[in-house]
Amino acid sequence: DIQMTQSPSSLSASIGDRVTITCRASRTIGSSLNWYQQKPGKAPKLLIYAASSLQGGVPSRFTGSGSGTDFTLTITSLQPEDFATYYCQQTYSSLSWTFGQGTKVEVK
Amino acid sequence: QVQLQESGPGLVKASETLSLTCSVSGASVGSGDYYWSWVRQPPGKGLEWIGYVYYTGSTEYNPSLKSRVTISVDKSKNQFSLNLNSPTAADTAVYYCARVKWDLLTYYFDFWGQGTLITVSS
Repeated sequence: DIQMTQSPSSLSASIGDRVTITCRASRTIGSSLNWYQQKPGKAPKLLIYAASSLQGGVPSRFTGSGSGTDFTLTITSLQPEDFATYYCQQTYSSLSWTFGQGTKVEVK
Repeated sequence: QVQLQESGPGLVKASETLSLTCSVSGASVGSGDYYWSWVRQPPGKGLEWIGYVYYTGSTEYNPSLKSRVTISVDKSKNQFSLNLNSPTAADTAVYYCARVKWDLLTYYFDFWGQGTLITVSS
């Protein structure tokens, strides 16, 4: 299995802050990396696919970058509705797709 | 608008079979453009991919669950289903169904059901 490791596991931030979340794969996955946002009691929501492509309807303050083993999700100016848990996911290996452990973004 | 809705018993006894159905509207499970997948999330924990089915009936499963899982598709009802054999308390989780799209040389989960909590009791 390809293991996905996110850092940090949690962070505290204020409205307007620039927030960066990192995801590292245990081996190269090309650009087969997606990012999801999940709020309590809700299903995950797709933000970014193929490492850097913004899903339709998602605000442009969300950007994704990286390839190979190291990836980043950046929120350029944190908004109140962005407090949530974020997950990365690799879909490189069709034999087993895996998620990172999640990063919780909390109010500072 | 694409919508997915999980349905199931809510409470399952250990050693019985955990069975869930995902009803799809706004898209066809018979379309070759998508895969159809199940994901679960134990209370307070992260997401775990269970497996997917293609309209042809071909499947892939998480190796950690492969011996106990079957996912199937019913094109006549526009549904797909999950069976998990011999569940234990460790299988207690919110179960989500999701549509999987293939684009830019990768797969991603673009629409999700709201999720249903399944509790396994002994």
